[in-house]
Amino acid sequence: AQKITQTQPGMFVQEKEAVTLDCTYDTSDPSYGLFWYKQPSSGEMIFLIYQGSYDQQNATEGRYSLNFQKARKSANLVISASQLGDSAMYFCAMRGRNTGGFKTIFGAGTRLFVKA
Amino acid sequence: NAGVTQTPKFQVLKTGQSMTLQCAQDMNHEYMSWYRQDPGMGLRLIHYSVGAGITDQGEVPNGYNVSRSTTEDFPLRLLSAAPSQTSVYFCASISRIGEFEMNTEAFFGQGTRLTVV
Repeated sequence: AQKITQTQPGMFVQEKEAVTLDCTYDTSDPSYGLFWYKQPSSGEMIFLIYQGSYDQQNATEGRYSLNFQKARKSANLVISASQLGDSAMYFCAMRGRNTGGFKTIFGAGTRLFVKA
Repeated sequence: NAGVTQTPKFQVLKTGQSMTLQCAQDMNHEYMSWYRQDPGMGLRLIHYSVGAGITDQGEVPNGYNVSRSTTEDFPLRLLSAAPSQTSVYFCASISRIGEFEMNTEAFFGQGTRLTVV
């Protein structure tokens, strides 16, 4: 069975500082994809970044980077230079090729608060 | 640029009532899913479909029915609403290319906030 664990229900960060949101996963799939989504207070789900299990390099998208440690089964999201608009709920998610490549499972989420 | 459209955005039901949450996508995606979001539990998969005429159960299917008569539409039916079904519901779609490449993200609707009293 696949599982995503986000152990930080809430995080605070000072504006302009970097923050790391933790995500660990469990899967028996040899091939899988890891995703991060942002959910602002307005409620929509916004895709941020993707990491493939066979990707050699950590994914980056602007201020977002994914610290992928395959042996530890972790896929932490790093947000650099935090902005007030980064205050939101963040979800780590996974899809596995052998368990239905289209079925996405989600962690419980981390609520990030950015302080001015 | 419609993407995935869910209706309604808000709904209040009385216990025992039935209703259908609508979901439509205009991206010709094969795969569609319904999730419910509850505090502290993330998004949990209710039902999914891999194409017109094909549906299957997710983690929490009890109390819900789905059908997929067209590629575009994937309605979710609550048969007899219960307070435990108070939640935010999301519909999502993925292009088939995402099945094996897995580098395509799921596209989500705006969500439906359902309250059962």
